[in-house]
Amino acid sequence: TQLLEQSPQFLSIQEGENLTVYCNSSSVFSSLQWYRQEPGEGPVLLVTVVTGGEVKKLKRLTFQFGDARKDSSLHITAAQPGDTGLYLCAGTGGYSTLTFGKGTMLLVSP
Amino acid sequence: DAMVIQNPRYQVTQFGKPVTLSCSQTLNHNVMYWYQQKSSQAPKLLFHYYDKDFNNEADTPDNFQSRRPNTSFCFLDIRSPGLGDAAMYLCATSRDRQGADEKLFFGSGTQLSVL
Repeated sequence: TQLLEQSPQFLSIQEGENLTVYCNSSSVFSSLQWYRQEPGEGPVLLVTVVTGGEVKKLKRLTFQFGDARKDSSLHITAAQPGDTGLYLCAGTGGYSTLTFGKGTMLLVSP
Repeated sequence: DAMVIQNPRYQVTQFGKPVTLSCSQTLNHNVMYWYQQKSSQAPKLLFHYYDKDFNNEADTPDNFQSRRPNTSFCFLDIRSPGLGDAAMYLCATSRDRQGADEKLFFGSGTQLSVL
């Protein structure tokens, strides 16, 4: 079973601060996906990273896939209250179902 | 323009009373999934359908069943809900089997309470 560990589990910051959350595994993944889940809603896909070392940017969000394709990070610059939510990483080892991490709950206060 | 619709958003049932959750999709995707998500935990895959081909996860309790009468609809039946089955149930779809480029489209979920 492929496991994904996310850290920190919970993060509370002020508007304007920067932050990084991590997704780590001992297994190699073909790809990693990042989702954001707002309270009472289903997860929404933010990005998919496929190539080792890949960096993708989505406005203030920067996603990186580790060179060995075992880990990923999400960096948010100048966080806003609208960034509040549960950030989930999910990996696939090919044509198998996604494995989700437990997520990082982010709270951004005005 | 909701693409994956789950009904109801909130469901309250009694201990042992069968309950059915529904999911519909307008994406015409081949694959539909049911996930269980408890507070502060990762979504846990219960089963999925690839077209009409049913795939049950090894650790999904027999208490959980699913039906997919057509491409658009999928149902989750809990035959005898226990207190431990209280959770958010998420339906998701993907165009094809999960691979590097496949992404999941989730519904808003049904929050199930068991009294």
